[in-house]
Amino acid sequence: QKEVEQNSGPLSVPEGAIASLNCTYSDRGSQSFFWYRQYSGKSPELIMSIYSNGDKEDGRFTAQLNKASQYVSLLIRDSQPSDSATYLCAVRYGNNRLAFGKGNQVVVIP
Amino acid sequence: EAGVAQSPRYKIIEKRQSVAFWCNPISGHATLYWYQQILGQGPKLLIQFQNNGVVDDSQLPKDRFSAERLKGVDSTLKIQPAKLEDSAVYLCASSLDRGHGYTFGSGTRLTVV
Repeated sequence: QKEVEQNSGPLSVPEGAIASLNCTYSDRGSQSFFWYRQYSGKSPELIMSIYSNGDKEDGRFTAQLNKASQYVSLLIRDSQPSDSATYLCAVRYGNNRLAFGKGNQVVVIP
Repeated sequence: EAGVAQSPRYKIIEKRQSVAFWCNPISGHATLYWYQQILGQGPKLLIQFQNNGVVDDSQLPKDRFSAERLKGVDSTLKIQPAKLEDSAVYLCASSLDRGHGYTFGSGTRLTVV
């Protein structure tokens, strides 16, 4: 069973719309969850972290966590062309090891 | 503060050749990670160091990959001999300690032909 799953294909959203990304994880004991943004040819960049059930907002980004359902999501409000990137969901396991999903590509159409 | 430094940025080698990548973490960061990211996939942990000791190398293909972190600072990842499926971006990351967030370097893109 894969540790972190991101199953959606590329997501195209019009500029100004909301982009919604989802992620599930296998280890019920996980406590720390992250969203990284990766531009083409660049390294991952941390944009959100979340540790408690519920919502966490930072600017145009909102992370949502439901530990009972083992589900993490990321909302990008007022999407901009600069948000076009691959978004990686990551879950922290023992020894601070991060397990990553395969990522979801977001394309914001002007 | 300076970021995580990696070199080279790009490398093209023939299969069965050897290659080495270098990483210099952020000063004071005790934990260093090497990840492999194959095109279209998320990063996969190869090895994790705490200071100069190995914490996790369970996913390192030890028949061909080796890594060291002498003196608990710089690290080198080596592949010998390389296979076509080793073509990937090799990312180095560091964190202050095990409970802290990561900072990634810019990566080394390896192409094996």
